[in-house]
Amino acid sequence: ETGVTQTPRHLVMGMTNKKSLKCEQHLGHNAMYWYKQSAKKPLELMFVYSLEERVENNSVPSRFSPECPNSSHLFLHLHTLQPEDSALYLCASSLHRGPTYEQYFGPGTRLTVT
Amino acid sequence: DAKTTQPNSMESNEEEPVHLPCNHSTISGTDYIHWYRQLPSQGPEYVIHGLTSNVNNRMASLAIAEDRKSSTLILHRATLRDAAVYYCILRDKDTGFQKLVFGTGTRLLVSP
Repeated sequence: ETGVTQTPRHLVMGMTNKKSLKCEQHLGHNAMYWYKQSAKKPLELMFVYSLEERVENNSVPSRFSPECPNSSHLFLHLHTLQPEDSALYLCASSLHRGPTYEQYFGPGTRLTVT
Repeated sequence: DAKTTQPNSMESNEEEPVHLPCNHSTISGTDYIHWYRQLPSQGPEYVIHGLTSNVNNRMASLAIAEDRKSSTLILHRATLRDAAVYYCILRDKDTGFQKLVFGTGTRLLVSP
């Protein structure tokens, strides 16, 4: 238990569906992250929120839409996804500043797009 | 972010020490060396980090070369639970937030 929870743990959706992934951290952190981990590929950073403001968007397609309503919650809204978007989506959190502070990861949501 | 190079895989026997190497020849003076690991079906977890001096914690030790161009993560007694992918990552102290750039890591296999 890392203090970062993600729901759902598994999701199967069609290409025309709309769904959302939820992340919640109970650690008092100020920064939250979405990562994508595809089969046989390294983790890729998708979005970063610091103090509830998006500070980085790594050229992610618009069919992925993040939302950070407060420092404890992070969402990833999904619509009209493609089969190649099937992956493990990981949420993480950390203190806002300082290179010595570690990131805490959730268990991930395994997404399958059919 | 500076690049790191790690072996694709390593094997160990249970209760033996494991030395996981990482090369980072382009490291800058402000880069911290971080290690994370990812157990099967889980998200990555922090293991240890250091700047210049060797570091110890309850999970592992980190040995940093004097020129900082390489480092070694040491697991003193491997257990089956240590089977995971280990990532060596450089973090610039001047970046305002924690941006981790993961490589492909080293897959550690532990045999009973």
